[in-house]
Amino acid sequence: DSGVTQTPKHLITATGQRVTLRCSPRSGDLSVYWYQQSLDQGLQFLIQYYNGEERAKGNILERFSAQQFPDLHSELNLSSLELGDSALYFCASSPRNDSPLHFGNGTRLTVT
Amino acid sequence: DQQVKQNSPSLSVQEGRISILNCDYTNSMFDYFLWYKKYPAEGPTFLISISSIKDKNEDGRFTVFLNKSAKHLSLHIVPSQPGDSAVYFCAASAHSGAGSYQLTFGKGTKLSVIP
Repeated sequence: DSGVTQTPKHLITATGQRVTLRCSPRSGDLSVYWYQQSLDQGLQFLIQYYNGEERAKGNILERFSAQQFPDLHSELNLSSLELGDSALYFCASSPRNDSPLHFGNGTRLTVT
Repeated sequence: DQQVKQNSPSLSVQEGRISILNCDYTNSMFDYFLWYKKYPAEGPTFLISISSIKDKNEDGRFTVFLNKSAKHLSLHIVPSQPGDSAVYFCAASAHSGAGSYQLTFGKGTKLSVIP
């Protein structure tokens, strides 16, 4: 158990809809990262938050947004969903920038 | 443009033998490299890392080798055990002045250890 909790585990929704994925980092970890893993692809970095502030952006679409709350949990919002957004979405946390990331078990999103 | 490449999608090894997983990278700014292991329905789990100032790091049965001139790293597992069967991801990072720590991942190699 990595200590990183992601909910829900599975999500099935239709094109055009909006969903919110939730992540609770390990106790004491200030950084939260979001990654997307599409079929047969490696994990693609989406966005990082550190203590409530956006720290870095990767290949995140404009239809996607995220935030980190004062209690350090984070939410990834995906809107105007398309079939190609179907993927595993992983959240990871770390205490410092030079520490390995610890990943949650992911949310599998299926867009039909 | 894939900056981290794992050219072998899969690898089968007999139990007790050595498993060698390979990874190549193109970005010369990468200075920290990690291997993650992933079981089905779970998130990636950190296995071992190496800084660019070293060429070898060992942790029990796992050793990572880094060849900076060739932009190549490898993970050796000796001896291989059935429980090592998983997908192994190579990842690399370039520390930025902004304090961000983005990992760039390869697509993974599925290791099967045959009893």
